[in-house]
Amino acid sequence: QKEVEQNSGPLSVPEGAIASLNCTYSDRGSQSFFWYRQYSGKSPELIMFIYSNGDKEDGRFTAQLNKASQYVSLLIRDSQPSDSATYLCAVRSTGNQFYFGTGTSLTVIP
Amino acid sequence: DAGVTQSPTHLIKTRGQHVTLRCSPISGHKSVSWYQQVLGQGPQFIFQYYEKEERGRGNFPDRFSARQFPNYSSELNVNALLLGDSALYLCASSWDAPDTQYFGPGTRLTVL
Repeated sequence: QKEVEQNSGPLSVPEGAIASLNCTYSDRGSQSFFWYRQYSGKSPELIMFIYSNGDKEDGRFTAQLNKASQYVSLLIRDSQPSDSATYLCAVRSTGNQFYFGTGTSLTVIP
Repeated sequence: DAGVTQSPTHLIKTRGQHVTLRCSPISGHKSVSWYQQVLGQGPQFIFQYYEKEERGRGNFPDRFSARQFPNYSSELNVNALLLGDSALYLCASSWDAPDTQYFGPGTRLTVL
């Protein structure tokens, strides 16, 4: 079982729509959760982090965490073509290691 | 403020050779982590250092080693290179070991 699992996609949404990206993790003791965006050929760029159950909003982005279900998601409202990238979910485990999912490829269609 | 910097940008080596990759963290950050990312996969954790001490190690062979210097910069060394070591090597820095990590641009290593 992988530590962090994501649907690899590809996920396609029309411009202006809401994109929903999901992630599950196996270590129930994990405390910190991160979403990174990675454009092709570039390094990961931090979008958001969340530590507590519930929602956290930052501009067009909302991260949602449900520790009981070991589930974290990222919503992107009013999706733009510039949001087209691979989105990586990362989890800091109880062993202080960071585990990344394989990423979900998002395409926003103009 | 400058972000995380890495050198070199690209590197081509042959099997069996040795390579050293370098990383300078964001000013004020005391922790550096190294990751390997192969095409189509997420970054895989290699090492984390904080205040010059190793704080974590991923599932990589002993051919991989690293160290952190008093100025918090870091080196990743890989001995006896294999074709499978070809990847993007990413350095990430954070204020403290468990904190949010910010990535550098990476070093693209090709082993022929």
